Amino acid sequence: SQQGEEDPQALSIQEGENATMNCSYKTSINNLQWYRQNSGRGLVHLILIRSNEREKHSGRLRVTLDTSKKSSSLLITASRAADTASYFCATDANTGFQKLVFGTGTRLLVSP
Amino acid sequence: KAGVTQTPRYLIKTRGQQVTLSCSPISGHRSVSWYQQTPGQGLQFLFEYFSETQRNKGNFPGRFSGRQFSNSRSEMNVSTLELGDSALYLCASSLAWTLLTGELFFGEGSRLTVL
Repeated sequence: SQQGEEDPQALSIQEGENATMNCSYKTSINNLQWYRQNSGRGLVHLILIRSNEREKHSGRLRVTLDTSKKSSSLLITASRAADTASYFCATDANTGFQKLVFGTGTRLLVSP
Repeated sequence: KAGVTQTPRYLIKTRGQQVTLSCSPISGHRSVSWYQQTPGQGLQFLFEYFSETQRNKGNFPGRFSGRQFSNSRSEMNVSTLELGDSALYLCASSLAWTLLTGELFFGEGSRLTVL
């Protein structure tokens, strides 16, 4: 079953605009990760934020985590056509081991 | 450094057959996990191996099995294939003992079509 629900399911923007996608999860976590998937390909890790962190940056990516609301957001600034992909949040579901529980994903389309 | 390699990339089988998928992790990574991705169910965890031991298993029937070899390469097997087994099967490897310290590195996946 899915741990996380992502919102929106799909997002269409123009190049240069910012894209924000949200993730909600159900159980306590140790950390939360965001991954990108280009159509039909493998997943690429973007960023990991630990449960004791509130915000993290990596290049044009900004991730926030609110453990009280069990939610996270991913902001991509100054989007490019190459950012077109599906984005997934994933949590460790506090299992400790290498089991990620993925959200439903947000399909992002960035038009030139 | 070579990434995670999955073979075959594409395959077509018929109902009732079995299939074996292979995954070679990044050199030095000892944890290998498998995920099934379908449009309806999304990404679902299958199982995870570390040092040839299955440490965690998802909620899949016994037709789904796997193993890991001493060189960390892993295989998964699906027997008595059903139409619903059509999916992208993703393998991921990790250096870390747990997810507390690191991310997963995914292969490109094996796309299985069951006719």
